[in-house]
Amino acid sequence: KAGVTQTPRYLIKTRGQQVTLSCSPISGHRSVSWYQQTPGQGLQFLFEYFSETQRNKGNFPGRFSGRQFSNSRSEMNVSTLELGDSALYLCASSVTGTGVKDTQYFGPGTRLTVL
Amino acid sequence: ILNVEQSPQSLHVQEGDSTNFTCSFPSSNFYALHWYRWETAKSPEALFVMTLNGDEKKKGRISATLNTKEGYSYLYIKGSQPEDSATYLCAFTHFGNEKLTFGTGTRLTIIP
Repeated sequence: KAGVTQTPRYLIKTRGQQVTLSCSPISGHRSVSWYQQTPGQGLQFLFEYFSETQRNKGNFPGRFSGRQFSNSRSEMNVSTLELGDSALYLCASSVTGTGVKDTQYFGPGTRLTVL
Repeated sequence: ILNVEQSPQSLHVQEGDSTNFTCSFPSSNFYALHWYRWETAKSPEALFVMTLNGDEKKKGRISATLNTKEGYSYLYIKGSQPEDSATYLCAFTHFGNEKLTFGTGTRLTIIP
């Protein structure tokens, strides 16, 4: 079974631009969560999608948005990029996203650098 | 705001030695505690999910314990090997909000 894939793996943008990151979950997984990691910080939860609906949301500004398609693939968009948005963005998929036994499987991440 | 703290931040251990580190989390409304291993240039990999006070889980040379009343979990590695070098993350969930809240991790380096 193929794992979680994320594209692109690396991205360089300038301030003010926008960016779209993509995540393809493991086949059969319907929940996709997004996380941001910056130096010195733990993984910060951005949002979770399940069956094309945003089910949970972290404490990030409205510039961060996402969506999920009918095939469970998910995209994350960041508009009006700021220097502080430079980070590793990870997505994780799970079967339902709820319940203790529903393990999250992480992708390799997209490293975003904002200049 | 829920806070998950891990200590130490980093650790160097001689190959063959055993080691352990701590994850502290809010004890109220506890639902589950997760441990992940994150090797450089790879994806975080789930190690354990623990729910019950007094729970003990084991996977090879790695084991974990859970105390939900006082809000901590220990991860133990017995007979460390170079391949154990990684960042170990714990994450907490509570009733009513099942999103994972991660600690900042313990970075473990095994010295051959």
